[in-house]
Amino acid sequence: AQKITQTQPGMFVQEKEAVTLDCTYDTSDQSYGLFWYKQPSSGEMIFLIYQGSYDEQNATEGRYSLNFQKARKSANLVISASQLGDSAMYFCAMRGPGGYQKVTFGIGTKLQVIP
Amino acid sequence: GAGVSQSPRYKVAKRGQDVALRCDPISGHVSLFWYQQALGQGPEFLTYFQNEAQLDKSGLPSDRFFAERPEGSVSTLKIQRTQQEDSAVYLCASSLTPASGRETQYFGPGTRLLVL
Repeated sequence: AQKITQTQPGMFVQEKEAVTLDCTYDTSDQSYGLFWYKQPSSGEMIFLIYQGSYDEQNATEGRYSLNFQKARKSANLVISASQLGDSAMYFCAMRGPGGYQKVTFGIGTKLQVIP
Repeated sequence: GAGVSQSPRYKVAKRGQDVALRCDPISGHVSLFWYQQALGQGPEFLTYFQNEAQLDKSGLPSDRFFAERPEGSVSTLKIQRTQQEDSAVYLCASSLTPASGRETQYFGPGTRLLVL
């Protein structure tokens, strides 16, 4: 069974600073994908970044980067130059081998950006 | 183009009542997913459609939950004889291709269901 662990219920960061949101995962599969989603108070889930288990380089998307440490089974999200609009819930998620549609989400981390 | 839309956005039901939640995916998207998100939790997978075929319904919590996508576009999640534990946000997501691992799922705003 797959499991996602997010141990930070809430995080604060000063505007313009960088912040790291932690995510560890557990799977016996060799092929899997890791995602981060943002959920503002409006409710919709917004895709941020994807990392495949066989990707050799850490994924980056604008101000978002994923610090992928496969041996430690961690996939931390780094947000650089935080903005007030980054305040939201952030979910780490994982999908199993190709063709396996079920995505497992973590419990989320609430990020608040302070002016 | 328009994103994923869901209706109603809010639904209050009396215990025992049947409810139907609608999802309009992005036009042309092959894959459609339903998730249930309880308060303070992450979304939990309910079911997956590839076009009109329901390929995975392993996440449906009981036989009171039923989902359909008869023409491969709009989907309806039906909950019969609602119980208080069904209170949650129901999220719908769609993706362009058959689920393969890397493709992005686009989520709707969700339907917040409250069962009294």
